[in-house]
Amino acid sequence: QKEVEQDPGPLSVPEGAIVSLNCTYSNSAFQYFMWYRQYSRKGPELLMYTYSSGNKEDGRFTAQVDKSSKYISLFIRDSQPSDSATYLCAMMSPGNQFYFGTGTSLTVIP
Amino acid sequence: EAGVVQSPRYKIIEKKQPVAFWCNPISGHNTLYWYRQNLGQGPELLIRYENEEAVDDSQLPKDRFSAERLKGVDSTLKIQPAELGDSAVYLCASSFSGGGGSEQYFGPGTRLTVT
Repeated sequence: QKEVEQDPGPLSVPEGAIVSLNCTYSNSAFQYFMWYRQYSRKGPELLMYTYSSGNKEDGRFTAQVDKSSKYISLFIRDSQPSDSATYLCAMMSPGNQFYFGTGTSLTVIP
Repeated sequence: EAGVVQSPRYKIIEKKQPVAFWCNPISGHNTLYWYRQNLGQGPELLIRYENEEAVDDSQLPKDRFSAERLKGVDSTLKIQPAELGDSAVYLCASSFSGGGGSEQYFGPGTRLTVT
């Protein structure tokens, strides 16, 4: 079983839609949770960084962590064509090791 | 503030040739990571440095890969000899690990093609 599972998509939505991206994980020791956005031929860009369970909002982006279910989500409101990218979830163990999902490819259609 | 710098951005070599990648982390970041990312996959850790010390190199193919981080700042990753299966994007990332969580920032990557 992989440490982190993420549906690779692809996901295609119309402009203005609400997008929901999800990851599940198996290691209950994970405490820090991240979402990265990666445009084609670019390095991953840190979008959201959360600690433990709860919600964190930043503009159109909301990250949710449910440690009891080992499930994290990223919501994008009012999606824009510029949001078209691959979204990677990542988790950090107490030993500072990072574990990444495979990424979900998102296309927002104008 | 400058981000993580990597060079070269692209490299095409023939198999069995050597290749080296360079990374300069964000100023003040004590932890440096080298990852390999294959198409359609997430980054996979090759090696992690805390200052000058390699604290996690369990996934580094040591028969052909080597890395160094002199003076705890910039780092070089080398492959010798390269194989066809080494074609991938090599990503460097850095963070400040001060006892709690840490935000990790990536460079643009080096896209390696082995022919």
